[in-house]
Amino acid sequence: QVQLIQSGAEVKKPGSSVKVSCKSSGYTFTDFSLHWVRRAPGQGLEWVAWINSKNGRANYAQKFQGRVTLTRDTSVTTAYMELSRLRSDDTAIYYCARDRRYYASGNYEYWGQGTLVNVSS
Amino acid sequence: QSVLTQPPSVSAAPGQKVTISCSGSISNIGNNYVSWYRLLPGTAPTLVIYENDKRPSGISDRFSGSKSDTTVTLGISGLQTGDEAEYFCGTWDSSLSAGVFGGGTKLTV
Repeated sequence: QVQLIQSGAEVKKPGSSVKVSCKSSGYTFTDFSLHWVRRAPGQGLEWVAWINSKNGRANYAQKFQGRVTLTRDTSVTTAYMELSRLRSDDTAIYYCARDRRYYASGNYEYWGQGTLVNVSS
Repeated sequence: QSVLTQPPSVSAAPGQKVTISCSGSISNIGNNYVSWYRLLPGTAPTLVIYENDKRPSGISDRFSGSKSDTTVTLGISGLQTGDEAEYFCGTWDSSLSAGVFGGGTKLTV
């Protein structure tokens, strides 16, 4: 069965960086795009970025341009999201989500369990 | 401010049917497939409808989806207390080249 397993919760200081991993299994990793979505406390879902799992090209929401970097390692079927210059309003649960297509269709069939990133001084 | 517009809350009695609307524009709902997700506290989102009106395996046929122009609607019939959750619509926005979501609708049964 398809599984997306994310790395554990992180506590970070403002201005630092965090890297979250998303290990995929149960399907051909390069056949589907992966997205990152976050939910801040009391807020809705917010799309962060997506990566083409086959060629590694990534696109980012304008709000996060310059602060977020997506990568993937096909040898271990794992995607990574690194967010830098963290601020307190980056405190959120970050989810990886597998698209139904190899391109970005915005329809996410499987989700990771979520990774809490707490930014606090 | 979310790109897609949903009512903040809806409620209905057990056994009744409820609908949740999600409005957007030509660049998102108008030209792309929409999914609906159910969120329970402390759990990851669950896909309940994809490509406007399709149900994933394992999702009850009490869940339905429809689309008209730039509005999609999630229907849940035969409501059960277990259906209480927050529901989000989501799709791709071709103008923004970004994923977009509604603000979420809290369903109370």
